[in-house]
Amino acid sequence: NAGVTQTPKFRILKIGQSMTLQCTQDMNHNYMYWYRQDPGMGLKLIYYSVGAGITDKGEVPNGYNVSRSTTEDFPLRLELAAPSQTSVYFCASSYGDRGKETQYFGPGTRLLVL
Amino acid sequence: AQSVSQHNHHVILSEAASLELGCNYSYGGTVNLFWYVQYPGQHLQLLLKYFSGDPLVKGIKGFEAEFIKSKFSFNLRKPSVQWSDTAEYFCAVRAGNNRKLIWGLGTSLAVNP
Repeated sequence: NAGVTQTPKFRILKIGQSMTLQCTQDMNHNYMYWYRQDPGMGLKLIYYSVGAGITDKGEVPNGYNVSRSTTEDFPLRLELAAPSQTSVYFCASSYGDRGKETQYFGPGTRLLVL
Repeated sequence: AQSVSQHNHHVILSEAASLELGCNYSYGGTVNLFWYVQYPGQHLQLLLKYFSGDPLVKGIKGFEAEFIKSKFSFNLRKPSVQWSDTAEYFCAVRAGNNRKLIWGLGTSLAVNP
């Protein structure tokens, strides 16, 4: 199993540009998550999904959109990039009964918005 | 609001020193507890987790953590650190049946050879 994979690894965007961060997992996990990690700030949940076709907002959803058309894929969309979105983005997936899940993380995408 | 507090933001140790990183949470009910490690330039990896049972949990690479319910704590320990343990360590808590994790801000550990 490749686990959780993310592309691209690194990207520079200009203010106002848009892009999609890709996340794929091959573990047949139902639950998937997008986090952003800023220095000294820990991880903040952006969006999560409990299954194909179902998504919900996390702590910091503004400026982002997600979709979950398949179990494997959970792309994160930035429509109008802003400098405040400079961060490292991690995708995670998990399985298990509610309250018994463990999250597994991808390698991250480092995004710089100039 | 539920929160997770990691008291040590930066820790510097020499090789072979013992390590204890603090983690406290604010939630009075059932919790799942996790420690993740992030080596420089890498993604988060699970070190260990507690769901129920023995409050002393052993993880990978010689790490262990003890859940003390009365103190709302889940401190991470290792008796003898190595240079390769240099990393950032995150404590995370799931409160009750909530699907989301609450994360601490992390502790940066530097081990000098």
